[in-house]
Amino acid sequence: KAGVTQTPRYLIKTRGQQVTLSCSPISGHRSVSWYQQTPGQGLQFLFEYFSETQRNKGNFPGRFSGRQFSNSRSEMNVSTLELGDSALYLCASSLLAGSNQPQHFGDGTRLSIL
Amino acid sequence: QQQVKQSPQSLIVQKGGISIINCAYENTAFDYFPWYQQFPGKGPALLIAIRPDVSEKKEGRFTISFNKSAKQFSLHIMDSQPGDSATYFCAASHSGGGADGLTFGKGTHLIIQP
Repeated sequence: KAGVTQTPRYLIKTRGQQVTLSCSPISGHRSVSWYQQTPGQGLQFLFEYFSETQRNKGNFPGRFSGRQFSNSRSEMNVSTLELGDSALYLCASSLLAGSNQPQHFGDGTRLSIL
Repeated sequence: QQQVKQSPQSLIVQKGGISIINCAYENTAFDYFPWYQQFPGKGPALLIAIRPDVSEKKEGRFTISFNKSAKQFSLHIMDSQPGDSATYFCAASHSGGGADGLTFGKGTHLIIQP
């Protein structure tokens, strides 16, 4: 069974640009969550989607947004990129909704802002 | 602010020894406590998880001990091997309304010396 797939693996952008990251969950998983990982702040929750609806959102500005499609694939978008947005963005999928369900992570998209 | 405090930050253990990583939490609403293992360039992989209705859970060489009254939980790696060298994260979440994803500890960099 294929794991969580995130594309692209690496991305370089400049300040002010916007970026879209993609996540394909494990087959059959309907919940997708996004996390940001940085050396300073560690792993921080961005948002969770289930059945194409955002269930909850972490403490991030409105520049960070996402969506989920009917096939459970998800995308996250960051607009007006800032240097501080440089991070590893991780997607996790689970069978059911809720962060108290076993979540399986992809290998992430490494975003670098110049 | 919901927090999970993890210690130590780094740990060196001899091959065959026991590695112990500790976490403490504040929010008594937390009801799910997973541990993740992360290798460089990879996403976190779910190792083992526990819920508050049990005090210990064992899977192979990995054991979680949970102390609800002290609001602490720990990961024990028995017969530690060089292949266990990785960064370990504890996490916590709850199933209540407004749940906001997994709250992670800052991580422990574990080195197993051969």
